[in-house]
Amino acid sequence: GENVGLHLPTLSVQEGDNSIINCAYSNSASDYFIWYKQESGKGPQFIIDIRSNMDKRQGQRVTVLLNKTVKHLSLQIAATQPGDSAVYFCAENLFSNYKLTFGKGTLLTVNP
Amino acid sequence: NAGVTQTPKFQVLKTGQSMTLQCAQDMNHEYMSWYRQDPGMGLRLIHYSVGAGITDQGEVPNGYNVSRSTTEDFPLRLLSAAPSQTSVYFCVAGRGGAYEQYFGPGTRLTVT
Repeated sequence: GENVGLHLPTLSVQEGDNSIINCAYSNSASDYFIWYKQESGKGPQFIIDIRSNMDKRQGQRVTVLLNKTVKHLSLQIAATQPGDSAVYFCAENLFSNYKLTFGKGTLLTVNP
Repeated sequence: NAGVTQTPKFQVLKTGQSMTLQCAQDMNHEYMSWYRQDPGMGLRLIHYSVGAGITDQGEVPNGYNVSRSTTEDFPLRLLSAAPSQTSVYFCVAGRGGAYEQYFGPGTRLTVT
């Protein structure tokens, strides 16, 4: 939505560079994680997910890494493009629980 | 498939007025939920439903009511709007648990 980027951590990269967005999750029992992308004025859009029995999962130009020891999740975007500019949220979930808990988000700005 | 649809897109209310935010999904998913998004607060869960006839409270349920009479529809009611309810509201549908959840486009509500 509008102004969702206020007060958020920001990452500014040059077009063509790789981006790494980090997220610390809260519950050591969480076993499912999702990365969402939210462009200005739109709803969050699913990017990639990972279950806790995996350390890494790759999609098209994106990779998610999960470190359960330190409760850390990262999203890597290869060859970042201006269209990747958005706010990125991580979300965690317990398998038996339907509720997602969201991080505060990171604003990614790609400079042409 | 339209996915998740929300109406209206924008709404302005006066304090004390009531209204219903509509949400519909055509994916036949059991799980639906409502989030609100505020700058600096991220996405917070208001209410959720794991199937027709079943609803439960999320993190910030006060001032909101929901019902789930069909799989497709999950309306959110504001009985007496307050300025603190000015926010962007998102409806979400999915299979729940460790599966992707889909966001609607959002309703931007202003209470004066």
